[in-house]
Amino acid sequence: AQKITQTQPGMFVQEKEAVTLDCTYDTSDPSYGLFWYKQPSSGEMIFLIYQGSYDQQNATEGRYSLNFQKARKSANLVISASQLGDSAMYFCAMREGLDDKIIFGKGTRLHILP
Amino acid sequence: EPEVTQTPSHQVTQMGQEVILRCVPISNHLYFYWYRQILGQKVEFLVSFYNNEISEKSEIFDDQFSVERPDGSNFTLKIRSTKLEDSAMYFCASSEIGATNEKLFFGSGTQLSVL
Repeated sequence: AQKITQTQPGMFVQEKEAVTLDCTYDTSDPSYGLFWYKQPSSGEMIFLIYQGSYDQQNATEGRYSLNFQKARKSANLVISASQLGDSAMYFCAMREGLDDKIIFGKGTRLHILP
Repeated sequence: EPEVTQTPSHQVTQMGQEVILRCVPISNHLYFYWYRQILGQKVEFLVSFYNNEISEKSEIFDDQFSVERPDGSNFTLKIRSTKLEDSAMYFCASSEIGATNEKLFFGSGTQLSVL
């Protein structure tokens, strides 16, 4: 079974609109962390935001927020007031318990339209 | 912000040749990783390294792969006999203490092309 599922392979959004990128995860470990990374066309992986399984509040980092719904095992990324520079691939990822590794989803390619 | 540095940015090699991909993790970090991304696909975990030994590896990381920390700063990935399907972007990453809530810092990647 997929550990991280991103159901939107691609999205087109008008500049300045808010956008939600979906992510669901699968784990039986009560302790886990969820991450979002951005990969622009240049290829580097840029950390955006983190949510811990025990965090009571949704994480926010500037224009990024994470809509964490633990019972539904979803961790959607919300980007407010989208900008042209937000066009990139976005990966949801998870680290479980004491694992070293972070597992990535297949990604969503976001296109911001002027 | 400190950076993970990878060299070279591009590597072209013939099938069957050995390649070594190099990385300089962030200096006070203790956990090191290699990931790969085949064109258009997801980022896949290969191996993690801590305290001079492999702490975790994936099914992809078979006998053709090895990692080494030859000195106090470099972290290398060696592919002994490259195959066409090894063509991918290889990312090195590091983290300070490997905690659950700790992000990985990624390098800019080495694009490996096997001909």
